[in-house]
Amino acid sequence: GAGVSQTPSNKVTEKGKYVELRCDPISGHTALYWYRQSLGQGPEFLIYFQGTGAADDSGLPNDRFFAVRPEGSVSTLKIQRTERGDSAVYLCASSLGSGSYEQYFGPGTRLTVT
Amino acid sequence: DQQVKQNSPSLSVQEGRISILNCDYTNSMFDYFLWYKKYPAEGPTFLISISSIKDKNEDGRFTVFLNKSAKHLSLHIVPSQPGDSAVYFCAASRPNDYKLSFGAGTTVTVRA
Repeated sequence: GAGVSQTPSNKVTEKGKYVELRCDPISGHTALYWYRQSLGQGPEFLIYFQGTGAADDSGLPNDRFFAVRPEGSVSTLKIQRTERGDSAVYLCASSLGSGSYEQYFGPGTRLTVT
Repeated sequence: DQQVKQNSPSLSVQEGRISILNCDYTNSMFDYFLWYKKYPAEGPTFLISISSIKDKNEDGRFTVFLNKSAKHLSLHIVPSQPGDSAVYFCAASRPNDYKLSFGAGTTVTVRA
């Protein structure tokens, strides 16, 4: 079946602009995660959804970052007033739900803030 | 603070030999551990996992060993194949807390 998809695959934006990154999880997966991976580092947790609600947003670095999952499927990560330090690969993952630790990752969106 | 550490950024091994990747963690609350494999321009792919109630889990050529007292786990790949050349990430999770904490990764190169 189809895996996790993310769009766009690459995004270049100017400092101060607003961006939206989209994630389509595996069908039937109720849990959805966002991670950020900077060069030379492992993925860093941002936010976790169980269904439509954010079960854990402790990884969001500041209030410029926000994510939604209004219908419990597709999720959008929104970044306001982008800064050069936001440049990274943003990874989305999904899993079957509570009790499942194994997460399936999408290919990521590479965000570059100039 | 980095709670999961992979101190070897790279590993080169000859085809057919064993690859041993190491991972240390500092948070004693972690009770589930996973290894992911990542090719360039792709997302990480789940490889193998282990619960803290076990000390070994095997799946084909891949075996993960867990030493809770040392807060250390390792991934053994035997025999190593050219297709195993990738970045390997160690990850850990706490009970009922499904977010993963990742190490920085180890790049494995399998030489023909």
